[in-house]
Amino acid sequence: TQLLEQSPQFLSIQEGENLTVYCNSSSVFSSLQWYRQEPGEGPVLLVTVVTGGEVKKLKRLTFQFGDARKDSSLHITAAQPGDTGLYLCAGAEKKSNTGKLIFGQGTTLQVKP
Amino acid sequence: NAGVTQTPKFQVLKTGQSMTLQCAQDMNHNSMYWYRQDPGMGLRLIYYSASEGTTDKGEVPNGYNVSRLNKREFSLRLESAAPSQTSVYFCASTFWTGGSSGNIQYFGAGTRLSVL
Repeated sequence: TQLLEQSPQFLSIQEGENLTVYCNSSSVFSSLQWYRQEPGEGPVLLVTVVTGGEVKKLKRLTFQFGDARKDSSLHITAAQPGDTGLYLCAGAEKKSNTGKLIFGQGTTLQVKP
Repeated sequence: NAGVTQTPKFQVLKTGQSMTLQCAQDMNHNSMYWYRQDPGMGLRLIYYSASEGTTDKGEVPNGYNVSRLNKREFSLRLESAAPSQTSVYFCASTFWTGGSSGNIQYFGAGTRLSVL
């Protein structure tokens, strides 16, 4: 069974600080996605990374896929209160024919003004 | 666009009662999924339907059944609810093409279920 370990599980920081969330596995994934979830809503996709070593930027958010496609990170620069939410990584199984995703436990981010 | 619609949004059950959670998508997606979300455990897959007419167990299927009624609708049934099934349930859908780039899953807003 493929597992994704996310860390930290909870992060509380001041506005303007930088942070990094990690998503690690001993298994190889064909791609990895990051979702953001706000209270009372379902997760919404932020980005998909496919190639080992790939880096994608979305405004102040930088996503990286590990060279071996076993891990990923999300870095937020100068965090804003609007970044508050639950961040989930999800891996697509390497030999899946179902479209299933494996989700990490999530990182709850609180950005205080 | 409605996307993925889940009903009801909230439900309180007594132990042993049954209920069906409804999910419908209007994006012509072929694959649909039911997850449960518990604190500190992310999203765990209960059942999925890779295409109309097929359903398969996920990571935590015990105590649940599903029906893929048609391409649009995928329901989740609790036959005899237990307190351990208190959770937030999410339905998701995607257009699975079989590629390796990963599919975007679109989620409903969730059903918050309490079993007393």
